[in-house]
Amino acid sequence: GIQVEQSPPDLILQEGANSTLRCNFSDSVNNLQWFHQNPWGQLINLFYIPSGTKQNGRLSATTVATERYSLLYISSSQTTDSGVYFCAVDGNQGGKLIFGQGTELSVKP
Amino acid sequence: EAQVTQNPRYLITVTGKKLTVTCSQNMNHEYMSWYRQDPGLGLRQIYYSMNVEVTDKGDVPEGYKVSRKEKRNFPLILESPSPNQTSLYFCASTDRDYSPLHFGNGTRLTVT
Repeated sequence: GIQVEQSPPDLILQEGANSTLRCNFSDSVNNLQWFHQNPWGQLINLFYIPSGTKQNGRLSATTVATERYSLLYISSSQTTDSGVYFCAVDGNQGGKLIFGQGTELSVKP
Repeated sequence: EAQVTQNPRYLITVTGKKLTVTCSQNMNHEYMSWYRQDPGLGLRQIYYSMNVEVTDKGDVPEGYKVSRKEKRNFPLILESPSPNQTSLYFCASTDRDYSPLHFGNGTRLTVT
């Protein structure tokens, strides 16, 4: 099946810094989504982005499907951005969504 | 408010005592799914359902059952829970096509 790898596994930032999180996948995908799991455990959908670029406030994402990767950009990070960021892909398996291992982000004041 | 509701949020039980975790969505979504999250293993899919009366195994279905008798509900059933099913469980739903996945708030299950 499809392999999903995220990097880096951990990231510590000072408030105000920018960061880029990466998601590589091993085969073509129908869709790709980014999620944020906050420190209380809630999973929030950030982007549905099988290809192209989207922006939502300080966050943006780009997926290059032909090269099998996606990037999540966080600009001017805030302490509330802390948590774990997951990407997940649907690889033509009729409903099976495969999650990466996540990037744990800690933003220090 | 559009949401996915799981109950209970926390559950402590003993080995072998049947339990059900409920999941309900009010968005008329066709697709629903269950995941478990464990440290070091990330999120793994247990079962999913593409529509009423249609369910399929995910990556870790052993020890679990599901049913989809109506569109809004997708309960997760543990007939005989064991300690290795101690985990954080999430239910999710979506329209499938060009639609993001919406998660419930999670159920933390402990089996002693």
